[in-house]
Amino acid sequence: ETGVTQTPRHLVMGMTNKKSLKCEQHLGHNAMYWYKQSAKKPLELMFVYNFKEQTENNSVPSRFSPECPNSSHLFLHLHTLQPEDSALYLCASSLWVVTSGNNEQFFGPGTRLTVL
Amino acid sequence: GENVEQHPSTLSVQEGDSAVIKCTYSDSASNYFPWYKQELGKGPQLIIDIRSNVGEKKDQRIAVTLNKTAKHFSLHITETQPEDSAVYFCAQGAGSARQLTFGSGTQLTVLP
Repeated sequence: ETGVTQTPRHLVMGMTNKKSLKCEQHLGHNAMYWYKQSAKKPLELMFVYNFKEQTENNSVPSRFSPECPNSSHLFLHLHTLQPEDSALYLCASSLWVVTSGNNEQFFGPGTRLTVL
Repeated sequence: GENVEQHPSTLSVQEGDSAVIKCTYSDSASNYFPWYKQELGKGPQLIIDIRSNVGEKKDQRIAVTLNKTAKHFSLHITETQPEDSAVYFCAQGAGSARQLTFGSGTQLTVLP
């Protein structure tokens, strides 16, 4: 186990539903991330949080709404999603936000989301 | 923006043979190059990384080489085993940049 947990592991929702994804890290890290992983495509960074503050939003549609109440928990609130939003959503954490050695990103197992 | 191209997208090798996956990048400021392994039903896990001041790094059966002039870096797995079967992702980062840019992944299958 990587020390990063995600719930639920699988989620099926209609386009009019509202649901939330949860991520929790037990590593004492200060930075947390949401990624979208679609088949045959590179991981797409969605949001970055550093000490609970959002530092990056990579032009993500407003139907995805992140929340970081503390450095250990990260949520992704979903509403009025589209079928093309179906993907694996990965959460990750690292000690800091700087991309360098000695600052490994640890990933959770992901939530497999299907939008009908 | 930054771009990382990864080849091949799929790779099958016989157990015991070597596997090589190559990535090229465009950002000359890139100085950190990690490789991740993703097994079925799991998130990516870092297996090896290299910084731009080093040309090669080895850890048992895996090694990474970096050619800064040509802007490419490669993952080498020797004496492959069935448990090496997974999707491998390269990535690059540039110092104070707050994000990694990932390649599109290589599905490696080691045939027994």
